[in-house]
Order: sequence, then C-alpha cells, then structure tokens
Amino acid sequence: GENVEQHPSTLSVQEGDSAVIKCTYSDSASNYFPWYKQELGKGPQLIIDIRSNVGEKKDQRIAVTLNKTAKHFSLHITETQPEDSAVYFCAGVTGGGNKLTFGTGTQLKVEL
Amino acid sequence: EAGVAQSPRYKIIEKRQSVAFWCNPISGHATLYWYQQILGQGPKLLIQFQNNGVVDDSQLPKDRFSAERLKGVDSTLKIQPAKLEDSAVYLCASSPGLAGRRETQYFGPGTRLLVL
Repeated sequence: GENVEQHPSTLSVQEGDSAVIKCTYSDSASNYFPWYKQELGKGPQLIIDIRSNVGEKKDQRIAVTLNKTAKHFSLHITETQPEDSAVYFCAGVTGGGNKLTFGTGTQLKVEL
Repeated sequence: EAGVAQSPRYKIIEKRQSVAFWCNPISGHATLYWYQQILGQGPKLLIQFQNNGVVDDSQLPKDRFSAERLKGVDSTLKIQPAKLEDSAVYLCASSPGLAGRRETQYFGPGTRLLVL
C-alpha cells in the first residue's frame, strides 16, 4: 500500500518568514495529494491540493509543488502569520477509492 | 452549510468496556469515512462507506470494531471490548461524490477516547 513520509516533524519560524514542509510517497500510482491543517481540538481542514497532472498550484500565501519522478511534494507558506501555527499533514491517494494515507504531521509554530 | 457532526466529544472508559461513536455527515454527501488518529500521528482510515455499503474496511480490526451506516446517512462506530491501545481521536469525514472520486474530505471535530 501507499506510504507517506513527512519532514520536518516540528518547524519554528519568525512571523513573516517562509515555511516549507516536504513529503515523499511510495506508490507511483498515487494521483491526488491534499494538504490538511489541524488546529488543537479540531478535525483536519483542507488547505490546498494538487493532482498528478499538475506540477505546481498556488492559492494566495500557500503553494504546493509536485515532482512525480522523484515522488515528492512540498507545501510552501509565505509571509507566515501567528494564525498559521498548527499541525500540517500531507496525504496521498491511490487505488479505486478516495482513501487518504497521511504523513506523520508537522507542528508549525510561528513566533512573533 | 452545517459541517460534519460527531458525538460524544470525549469519552473515558475502562478496558474491556464497550463504546459507540456517532457521526452525521454533511447533508447529501454520499461517502463517509472513519479515521483513527493516535496522538502524534496522522489519521488512519478504518472504514469507508458509499451510501450504506462498505467500500474499504481493510484496516478495521474486525474482532473488536464494527461500523454501520444504515439508510446511508449517519453512522456509528463501535468498539467492543476496548483495549488500552484504542485510546485515540476518532474522526469522521464525508465527501460529496462516489467513493472513487478524488475530492475534498470534510472532517468533523472528532471524539477523543481514553481507555484506562
């Protein structure tokens, strides 16, 4: 089955700096890669996603890049703000269903 | 639009007891998922329903876990008997279309279970 690895496990940045989180996946058939943000006591919430036929996608301060050859994808957050502090999960989807295989998460802390 | 509802939010039980969780997905969503999230890890899919049929339950420990989605709307997940390692957050999610579509899954707030 699919295996998704995520790095780093914790990331601390100063407000206004950029943050980058990287993930690798094992199944070359995976074709959908969402990123979720999880705040304390809440369920994960989708922030951006990318499909395998696209190399990059951007939504305001958030961007995701995908390298199918290397089987890795990354989340980029620019101009970080304190409200960006949360746990971020990458995920991959393969197979006939819409089953998400999540990474282990990155605790992002944006310091004032 | 109302989100995914789950209850209870918290539950504390002793090992070998039984527990049940309830989920009401977003209205009209065909596909419903139950995930288990152990502290410090990403959610892991337990079972996926399309309407009232099971699509994937390959990671559900069937000797103790069961789930149903009668009438294709709300769903219950049961653990009987519970073990210490079942302590986790149980997340319910739903998505609008059929099981094979690559689309957003909307998560509820989860039920935090502690087994003593």
